[in-house]
Amino acid sequence: QKEVEQDPGPLSVPEGAIVSLNCTYSNSAFQYFMWYRQYSRKGPELLMYTYSSGNKEDGRFTAQVDKSSKYISLFIRDSQPSDSATYLCAMKETSGSRLTFGEGTQLTVNP
Amino acid sequence: KAGVTQTPRYLIKTRGQQVTLSCSPISGHRSVSWYQQTPGQGLQFLFEYFSETQRNKGNFPGRFSGRQFSNSRSEMNVSTLELGDSALYLCASSLAPLNEQFFGPGTRLTVL
Repeated sequence: QKEVEQDPGPLSVPEGAIVSLNCTYSNSAFQYFMWYRQYSRKGPELLMYTYSSGNKEDGRFTAQVDKSSKYISLFIRDSQPSDSATYLCAMKETSGSRLTFGEGTQLTVNP
Repeated sequence: KAGVTQTPRYLIKTRGQQVTLSCSPISGHRSVSWYQQTPGQGLQFLFEYFSETQRNKGNFPGRFSGRQFSNSRSEMNVSTLELGDSALYLCASSLAPLNEQFFGPGTRLTVL
């Protein structure tokens, strides 16, 4: 069983929709939670970085962490065609830099 | 501030050869990590360096090695290349191990 599970999609939504992306994990030692966006043939771009449980908002993006359920989410409001990309969740423990990634969800926002 | 740079961006090698990839972190960042990305396995951690010391290593064979220099630049080496080593190799840097990691554009390695 993978430490981090993420539905690979693909997910297709109309422009302006609210997008919900999710990951579950099994390692209780994970304390830092991230979302990255990766465009085709590019490196991952950090969107959100949170520590422990709670919500964090940045513009159209909201990240939620529920450690009791081992479940994290990323919400994208007013989605745009430029949001079309693969979204990767990532997590790490309190020691070191080692990130454990989900397999990524491919999102397409249709004009 | 310039981002993480990786060279070369593309590389084609044949089986049995060796390859060296380079990563220059964001100015001031002292922690560098390497990841391998493939369609089948996704992003997998290779190793992590901080202040020229390898702090952590992923589950890869000994053919994969790396080092970090005093200016925080890092290199990774893959010896005796196999077809399965074809992948996008990504470098990420952070101020220190617990801080946010920022990725470079990657080096796409093709092994023929």
